[in-house]
Amino acid sequence: GESVGLHLPTLSVQEGDNSIINCAYSNSASDYFIWYKQESGKGPQFIIDIRSNMDKRQGQRVTVLLNKTVKHLSLQIAATQPGDSAVYFCAEKVNSGYSTLTFGKGTMLLVSP
Amino acid sequence: ETGVTQTPRHLVMGMTNKKSLKCEQHLGHNAMYWYKQSAKKPLELMFVYNFKEQTENNSVPSRFSPECPNSSHLFLHLHTLQPEDSALYLCASSQDLGSLSNQPQHFGDGTRLSIL
Repeated sequence: GESVGLHLPTLSVQEGDNSIINCAYSNSASDYFIWYKQESGKGPQFIIDIRSNMDKRQGQRVTVLLNKTVKHLSLQIAATQPGDSAVYFCAEKVNSGYSTLTFGKGTMLLVSP
Repeated sequence: ETGVTQTPRHLVMGMTNKKSLKCEQHLGHNAMYWYKQSAKKPLELMFVYNFKEQTENNSVPSRFSPECPNSSHLFLHLHTLQPEDSALYLCASSQDLGSLSNQPQHFGDGTRLSIL
């Protein structure tokens, strides 16, 4: 089956830097994408989502970019803070029937003060 | 507070024990999910319920038995588990299923299960 994957397993940044976490997907039928943040000892927390009819969506300090041509999704975090340290993973959903989310493996973001 | 509560948070059991995991959501959602999260692996979907009806069993061994008595509660009954079943078990909920329902899933904090 097709899968969602991440380019980098670990990303280390300095506090105040902007962070970019990437995700590649292979199913061209996917039409909905989500980014989750998972802190140690907690469940995944919804950050932001985007539908395939958009190429950019902004939230508070976060921006998700979708490039359907190359099947690429990215999460940009502005002014990264130590509290942003967590595992981030993307998920995709195919627009058919009772489809469910397919998750990537995750990228660990480490923010140094 | 995510609106999805899982109990217990930690569980240690022997291979011959019977135990149950509980999930409760206060979000008014109609779809509920069980996932298994193992180290260095993507989330593995186990079961899906939509309006109390099971819509997916993702080739899960019969030693895991789900139960969904109503749209707010989901259980995972465990019996004769194996050491490789040790993992974080996550419950999630969403508004409902369907191709027009592009809504995020909201997760609980999971039950950390250890099989001795």
